[in-house]
Amino acid sequence: DTAVSQTPKYLVTQMGNDKSIKCEQNLGHDTMYWYKQDSKKFLKIMFSYNNKELIINETVPNRFSPKSPDKAHLNLHINSLELGDSAVYFCASSLSSGANVLTFGAGSRLTVL
Amino acid sequence: GIQVEQSPPDLILQEGANSTLRCNFSDSVNNLQWFHQNPWGQLINLFYIPSGTKQNGRLSATTVATERYSLLYISSSQTTDSGVYFCAVGRADGLTFGKGTHLIIQP
Repeated sequence: DTAVSQTPKYLVTQMGNDKSIKCEQNLGHDTMYWYKQDSKKFLKIMFSYNNKELIINETVPNRFSPKSPDKAHLNLHINSLELGDSAVYFCASSLSSGANVLTFGAGSRLTVL
Repeated sequence: GIQVEQSPPDLILQEGANSTLRCNFSDSVNNLQWFHQNPWGQLINLFYIPSGTKQNGRLSATTVATERYSLLYISSSQTTDSGVYFCAVGRADGLTFGKGTHLIIQP
């Protein structure tokens, strides 16, 4: 059983399109995250949800909208995709917010043409 | 925000060699983790180590919280150790990652 699963693994789309990436965790964790890894491998937090409530919203364009229907799911919707959105997006979860071990999903590689 | 610096940025070693990777951070933290990103892109947690020393097989880590640094030791390197090693630190919220050390182990 995959602990943190993301779909799709690869996504190729045109500029201006809208796309979603889904994430589910079966670890019973309360907190979920989205991280973006750019072409230079730099990992930066985008959002964090604790028990379906947004607790971290870094400086991310409002074209990015996270949605957490329940504490096991955190989806990422991106409107009006731009070339600079091309990256690998990682979902992660932890037992709770604060000092806890993060478990990452396998990543979703988004390529915007 | 917290600054995280990792050194060296790149490291090329022969199989069997030992290495030490360093992570310096700019503020007090209660969460520090080391991750390995393998050549297929998977991020694997190696250690949760906000302070003290831990060992897991050929890998060990030490964090000196009062001096704001952590060290990751890899002994008897194997080609499967290749990849990028990230240090990540934080307090009450998500982790801030360093830029990583890119390690290549040659056979």
